[in-house]
Amino acid sequence: GENVEQHPSTLSVQEGDSAVIKCTYSDSASNYFPWYKQELGKGPQLIIDIRSNVGEKKDQRIAVTLNKTAKHFSLHITETQPEDSAVYFCAAVMIKAAGNKLTFGGGTRVLVKP
Amino acid sequence: EAQVTQNPRYLITVTGKKLTVTCSQNMNHEYMSWYRQDPGLGLRQIYYSMNVEVTDKGDVPEGYKVSRKEKRNFPLILESPSPNQTSLYFCASREPGNQPQHFGDGTRLSIL
Repeated sequence: GENVEQHPSTLSVQEGDSAVIKCTYSDSASNYFPWYKQELGKGPQLIIDIRSNVGEKKDQRIAVTLNKTAKHFSLHITETQPEDSAVYFCAAVMIKAAGNKLTFGGGTRVLVKP
Repeated sequence: EAQVTQNPRYLITVTGKKLTVTCSQNMNHEYMSWYRQDPGLGLRQIYYSMNVEVTDKGDVPEGYKVSRKEKRNFPLILESPSPNQTSLYFCASREPGNQPQHFGDGTRLSIL
């Protein structure tokens, strides 16, 4: 089955700096890659996603890149702010006969220091 | 407001005492699933359902049951809970295809 590895597990950055989280996946059949942000006491919320026919996508301070050949994708947060502090999860989704299968990475705890 | 609602939010119970965690969504989504979240392991899928009366095992189904009698509800049942099922549980729903999941706010279970 699919295996998603996420690094680093913790990331501390100074406010205003950039944060980068990297994920690799194992199954080339995966074709959809969402990123989720989880705040304390809440469920994960989608912040950005990318499909396999696109190499990069941006939404204000957040961008995601995908390298299908190398089977890795990354989340970039620029001009970080204290409210960006949270746990971030990458995921890889593949289509199966019984329905789409979503596999999460292990998560990255991001701390933005004021 | 679009919501996935889980109950209870917190539960402390003892080994062997059957419990049910309810999940309800108001978005008319066909696809629903249950995950457990453990430190360093991310979210792992327990069971999922593609529609009413259609359910299938995820990655960690042992010790759990589900049912999908109505489109909006997808309860998670622990017939005989054990301490290794102490975890944070999330229910999620989505549209068919490669669509983002909507998660509930979680249920923290402690099995003593």
